[in-house]
Amino acid sequence: EDQVTQSPEALRLQEGESSSLNCSYTVSGLRGLFWYRQDPGKGPEFLFTLYSAGEEKEKERLKATLTKKESFLHITAPKPEDSATYLCAVQARGNTGKLIFGQGTTLQVKP
Amino acid sequence: NAGVTQTPKFRILKIGQSMTLQCTQDMNHNYMYWYRQDPGMGLKLIYYSVGAGITDKGEVPNGYNVSRSTTEDFPLRLELAAPSQTSVYFCASSYSDKQVNYGYTFGSGTRLTVV
Repeated sequence: EDQVTQSPEALRLQEGESSSLNCSYTVSGLRGLFWYRQDPGKGPEFLFTLYSAGEEKEKERLKATLTKKESFLHITAPKPEDSATYLCAVQARGNTGKLIFGQGTTLQVKP
Repeated sequence: NAGVTQTPKFRILKIGQSMTLQCTQDMNHNYMYWYRQDPGMGLKLIYYSVGAGITDKGEVPNGYNVSRSTTEDFPLRLELAAPSQTSVYFCASSYSDKQVNYGYTFGSGTRLTVV
């Protein structure tokens, strides 16, 4: 069964304290791994798509990496405005476009 | 460019009532989806559509129905509302060709409470 597990469930950081969020997955043929950011009371906002092991993408203080079993979202020198829930999702082989989401990691960055 | 628009934003239903959650997108995306989000449970797929006139069940379809008569609109119908349907509902759309899905655009959600 296709599955996505994110850890930790919650993470508290001081401003400037770098860390990483983990997304472990099992899927029957990975077609893509997606990272989203969700602010309270809003819909998820697309951040990155990774398609193959070894691929990396960056956006401001965020960097996403992918291996054959997991993905990491590295946050470098975070700021309070980076506080949000980060969601990981995978798309298995097929043409439906369906994504399987993890439970998310809620990040709080304190000034 | 409005993206994905959901209405209403909030709704309280009594047990047994019915309602339709509206979703429309203006990006000419071929794929559309309905998810529900419960605390600590992540997003669960209810129904999806790969094009006008084509719909299929997701992971948690019981108690819901959908239709897709146009590319733009994908309404979700709740029949005989139950407390278990209390949740936040998200509509999403994406463009996907045979090789690649280019990522979802989500609406802002509908918070539904069934009492």
